[in-house]
Amino acid sequence: GQQVMQIPQYQHVQEGEDFTTYCNSSTTLSNIQWYKQRPGGHPVFLIQLVKSGEVKKQKRLTFQFGEAKKNSSLHITATQTTDVGTYFCAGKWGGTSYGKLTFGQGTILTVHP
Amino acid sequence: SAVISQKPSRDICQRGTSLTIQCQVDSQVTMMFWYRQQPGQSLTLIATANQGSEATYESGFVIDKFPISRPNLTFSTLTVSNMSPEDSSIYLCSVGKSSTDTQYFGPGTRLTVL
Repeated sequence: GQQVMQIPQYQHVQEGEDFTTYCNSSTTLSNIQWYKQRPGGHPVFLIQLVKSGEVKKQKRLTFQFGEAKKNSSLHITATQTTDVGTYFCAGKWGGTSYGKLTFGQGTILTVHP
Repeated sequence: SAVISQKPSRDICQRGTSLTIQCQVDSQVTMMFWYRQQPGQSLTLIATANQGSEATYESGFVIDKFPISRPNLTFSTLTVSNMSPEDSSIYLCSVGKSSTDTQYFGPGTRLTVL
């Protein structure tokens, strides 16, 4: 089946350092979404990217969708302890029904104060 | 976004028994899904809960093990049948609208099978 590969699996940073997680699909995506799951919590929707080469920003978070719509990244500038959690990308391919997403393995972010 | 509740929030069950998890949404939604998240792992889609008809299961999941009901546009249940310790996991329902892929997740049900 179609998969979304996400790296790294873990990332430990000092507060103030930057953080990036990457997702890759072998085939062209219809769109990609990003979710954050705090420890003990449930996934919370962050953003959806649809267009080739799209870049979106949310405060210190920058999301990119590749030109070929096969890869995406989430970059956090100057991490804070509130950024701790697992970040998941979720891919959607054309021809699948609405809402049917395939999640990446997630990147667990730890921020040391 | 919709407000989603799940019951129970957690449970400890004996092997061989069954548990029914409820998902309630505060507004009508077109799409409802059930996911499983094993400890420290990603989310795996179990099935799409279809209102008024049989659920659509993903590869590796079958109706006899995970029967799903969806009697209306605000409510669904997932039953984990004949449980074994391998079924220990977090079960999450999610909802979406017909014109978008965005998913909103319930708080999850943490199941431990002894």
